[in-house]
Amino acid sequence: KQEVTQIPAALSVPEGENLVLNCSFTDSAIYNLQWFRQDPGKGLTSLLLIQSSQREQTSGRLNASLDKSSGRSTLYIAASQPGDSATYLCAVGGGGTSYGKLTFGQGTILTVHP
Amino acid sequence: GAGVSQSPSNKVTEKGKDVELRCDPISGHTALYWYRQSLGQGLEFLIYFQGNSAPDKSGLPSDRFSAERTGGSVSTLTIQRTQQEDSAVYLCASSPIGLARAQSKQFFGPGTRLTVL
Repeated sequence: KQEVTQIPAALSVPEGENLVLNCSFTDSAIYNLQWFRQDPGKGLTSLLLIQSSQREQTSGRLNASLDKSSGRSTLYIAASQPGDSATYLCAVGGGGTSYGKLTFGQGTILTVHP
Repeated sequence: GAGVSQSPSNKVTEKGKDVELRCDPISGHTALYWYRQSLGQGLEFLIYFQGNSAPDKSGLPSDRFSAERTGGSVSTLTIQRTQQEDSAVYLCASSPIGLARAQSKQFFGPGTRLTVL
């Protein structure tokens, strides 16, 4: 059974800092990994998708890396802003017998204070 | 274009009643997923549809839960004889799984918050 762990569970930083969120997964037979953002009371917004054959993806101030063999991914946020405050979720597609379902981590609650 | 929509946004019901939750996926998306997000459990997969068929129902927690999809579009998740532990946010997602699945993002709706009293 695929299990996904995110560290840290919560993070509070001052505006402008660069930060790293960590995700690990137990079954390396994945076909992709997605990072999502969730704002309070809202659904999920996809930030980045990394296919299993890729090593990283970048979008603006966000960079996500994937080391499939070691079961790890990181989300790097540069020059953090108060608007980045949200819960960040890592989800892997595949592993085990699933076809399309995503297995989620518990999330990292990020607070960026002015 | 329009994203995934879900209705109702909030539902309060009494223990033992049946509820129906609706999901309208993005037009043309062949794959549809239901997830549940509850305190202490995180986000859990419930069921996956490809077209109108459900090849993966492994996440449905009990036989009180069922889902259907008609016309390859709208899906309804039904919970019979609701229990307090069913209280959660139910999220629906869709994806254009016609692409190679490694490339296929899932797009999520805003969710339905279910409260069972």
